[in-house]
Amino acid sequence: GNSVTQMEGPVTLSEEAFLTINCTYTATGYPSLFWYVQYPGEGLQLLLKATKADDKGSNKGFEATYRKETTSFHLEKGSVQVSDSAVYFCALAGNNRKLIWGLGTSLAVNP
Amino acid sequence: DAGVTQSPTHLIKTRGQQVTLRCSPKSGHDTVSWYQQALGQGPQFIFQYYEEEERQRGNFPDRFSGHQFPNYSSELNVNALLLGDSALYLCASISGLAGATSTDTQYFGPGTRLTVL
Repeated sequence: GNSVTQMEGPVTLSEEAFLTINCTYTATGYPSLFWYVQYPGEGLQLLLKATKADDKGSNKGFEATYRKETTSFHLEKGSVQVSDSAVYFCALAGNNRKLIWGLGTSLAVNP
Repeated sequence: DAGVTQSPTHLIKTRGQQVTLRCSPKSGHDTVSWYQQALGQGPQFIFQYYEEEERQRGNFPDRFSGHQFPNYSSELNVNALLLGDSALYLCASISGLAGATSTDTQYFGPGTRLTVL
């Protein structure tokens, strides 16, 4: 079945550091890939998505590229801010649109 | 444009009791999915409703049941609560199961935090 493996946290960075959170997946067919973010005490918000191979999703300085050859969708940001502190979830969806989730990676950014 | 709303925000119950959680989808959306998120874990899919019918179900016991109303809002019911049912319950909405593709974005509500004592 479909699955998502996500880099374990917590990740602690200083402000303006470079961020990478690894995500790999196993899926049949051609899933769409998503990164959601959950700020403390809040629900899940879509951060970015990519719907086909080689697509790059981007939002708020975050980027992720759908790599079919390596079945990966790593999240990157060139310069993190304290306000980026949150839990980040990688997820995939097939045509049934049931989201399959990674375990989440907690990010703490220190000033 | 109202997003996905859920009620109540928090709920405390004791073992063996029953609970009902409610969700109103984003305007224009007719499909609702429910997820359970235990502390420190990713969400787990419970079930999905479209046209007032359960269309898909995850690996949850029959104690978990749901309903969708003609206005597309939905309820999640959990009977005979166990301590392990303590979690954040998330509702997500999306439009149009017919012609569904994987590319559509699901929008999440803020969740209901259920604590079972």
